[in-house]
Amino acid sequence: GAGVSQSPRYKVAKRGQDVALRCDPISGHVSLFWYQQALGQGPEFLTYFQNEAQLDKSGLPSDRFFAERPEGSVSTLKIQRTQQEDSAVYLCASSLGGTGSTEAFFGQGTRLTVV
Amino acid sequence: GENVEQHPSTLSVQEGDSAVIKCTYSDSASNYFPWYKQELGKRPQLIIDIRSNVGEKKDQRIAVTLNKTAKHFSLHITETQPEDSAVYFCAARAYSSASKIIFGSGTRLSIRP
Repeated sequence: GAGVSQSPRYKVAKRGQDVALRCDPISGHVSLFWYQQALGQGPEFLTYFQNEAQLDKSGLPSDRFFAERPEGSVSTLKIQRTQQEDSAVYLCASSLGGTGSTEAFFGQGTRLTVV
Repeated sequence: GENVEQHPSTLSVQEGDSAVIKCTYSDSASNYFPWYKQELGKRPQLIIDIRSNVGEKKDQRIAVTLNKTAKHFSLHITETQPEDSAVYFCAARAYSSASKIIFGSGTRLSIRP
């Protein structure tokens, strides 16, 4: 596709429910990032992939958060046993990576509301 | 750990005037500094970026300056227009293949008609 695509755009989950958020990066982009953006705040880093390798997961807030990118393309962010504090917009970004352009392109985000 | 601080958090300027947003970073290995504009309910979009081998970059009404010694960089918007109203984020990234982009907390810019 032409840009980074995320689905669903909106997700309402009951507290305790598991959710899975999908990111389709720009074709050929090596680097993929997940960010969490609370209302009125800047994007907070969650995790980073280079191809299928998860090189940095230091931003994942708890072991309820899990991300994967098994074939080095599509990525899924999974949140188990959702809590109200998980409510936020989850942004995915991709960049060409390596020594090429380092511009990161963002998807539209998934707005997660935990009720 | 790595940190990017951004000021001010809100900024209101008269249409036609200039706006300046300032950021500082903590990781001396940072050498790529993008600026993103985010309109309400939309995705962040890159407006300009600068690498550490230059001190200034300009693109029409937008310019960014970088002081590596002081570890701070700034965004300058001249001749502001209503469509400049948005939230602006600065960010920093180390130019390696395994590094994250750290964002500032954002500046809400409002342009008064």
